[in-house]
Amino acid sequence: AQKVTQAQTEISVVEKEDVTLDCVYETRDTTYYLFWYKQPPSGELVFLIRRNSFDEQNEISGRYSWNFQKSTSSFNFTITASQVVDSAVYFCALSGQETSGSRLTFGEGTQLTVNP
Amino acid sequence: DAGVTQSPTHLIKTRGQHVTLRCSPISGHKSVSWYQQVLGQGPQFIFQYYEKEERGRGNFPDRFSARQFPNYSSELNVNALLLGDSALYLCASSRQDTPNSPLHFGNGTRLTVT
Repeated sequence: AQKVTQAQTEISVVEKEDVTLDCVYETRDTTYYLFWYKQPPSGELVFLIRRNSFDEQNEISGRYSWNFQKSTSSFNFTITASQVVDSAVYFCALSGQETSGSRLTFGEGTQLTVNP
Repeated sequence: DAGVTQSPTHLIKTRGQHVTLRCSPISGHKSVSWYQQVLGQGPQFIFQYYEKEERGRGNFPDRFSARQFPNYSSELNVNALLLGDSALYLCASSRQDTPNSPLHFGNGTRLTVT
């Protein structure tokens, strides 16, 4: 069965610090997709990024970067120079043929608090 | 374009009652999924519909049911409500029913069962 583990329940940093959110996944699929979502207090899940299993290139988007390592089944998310507006719950998620379609398996989430 | 819209935003029900939650997907999106998010946990998959057909069902009792209408909007119904059904119910839409399709979520319906 698919599983996503986010070991960090809560992280608190001071503004401008770098922070890395960890994500480890399990799947029997050979082709699968990994996602990160942000959930601000309003409740809406905001899509941040999608990576497929055959593309291990790291990706950078502004202050956000993602490190995908198939060898360790990890898909970590780093925020550089964090800002108060980054405070939210962040979810890592997985989809693939094992569950079929666009169905996502989510981790438990990491609550990030960025203090001024 | 409007995002995924859900109604109502908040709902308070009593144990044993029935509830209907509604969702309108983004225009052009044919797939709608429902997720339950209990406080402090990640969303759990309930149902997925594509082109009005059920494509997947999560590990939820038969008290939960859903349907998708010809305009691709969807309803989630929960019968015989239990205290444990209190949660944020999220609807998500996507263009296709494929594993690489990002889901776009609504703001959710906060259901409280007393």
